[in-house]
Amino acid sequence: AQSVTQLGSHVSVSEGALVLLRCNYSSSVPPYLFWYVQYPNQGLQLLLKYTSAATLVKGINGFEAEFKKSETSFHLTKPSAHMSDAAEYFCAVRTDTGRRALTFGSGTRLQVQP
Amino acid sequence: GAGVSQSPSNKVTEKGKDVELRCDPISGHTALYWYRQRLGQGLEFLIYFQGNSAPDKSGLPSDRFSAERTGESVSTLTIQRTQQEDSAVYLCASSLTSGGPTDTQYFGPGTRLTVL
Repeated sequence: AQSVTQLGSHVSVSEGALVLLRCNYSSSVPPYLFWYVQYPNQGLQLLLKYTSAATLVKGINGFEAEFKKSETSFHLTKPSAHMSDAAEYFCAVRTDTGRRALTFGSGTRLQVQP
Repeated sequence: GAGVSQSPSNKVTEKGKDVELRCDPISGHTALYWYRQRLGQGLEFLIYFQGNSAPDKSGLPSDRFSAERTGESVSTLTIQRTQQEDSAVYLCASSLTSGGPTDTQYFGPGTRLTVL
């Protein structure tokens, strides 16, 4: 079975500061990893996904994430936060075997202060 | 190019009543998923449909929950004899191909269910 842990249910940064949202996974087989963003009163939108092609994955809105097998991590970063980045972010994992659905972390709410 | 749609957007019901939630996937998407999102928590998988294959019901929390899908079209999630702990946002997602591990799931806006 696989699982995801997101450290920090709330993260607050200043506009223009670095955004770092942490995600650690547990999986006995090679994982596929995803970051989704949920804006208020909207559905989830895919930011980026790791499919084993490259360890550094670039997504939409200037976000990127790096897969580190040795650390079992897939942290999401953005060099400079924008007010519009305020949302909830979910890390999710999936594998080749077993359940086809995504297994999600509990989410991190990002606040961006002016 | 409509996305995944869900109805109703909000549903308030009394404890013990049955509710039916609807999901319209993106046209041509063969895989459809239902998830539940309780307040302040991540998404929990409920059920997965892939074409005409038997659905994966392993995430359904009790026999009060059931879902149907006809072919590759609309799906309905039914909760019988609702309980207060059923209050949550119910999200539907669909994906284009055969449910491969790297397929992108596209999510609807959800149905917020409140059980009084």
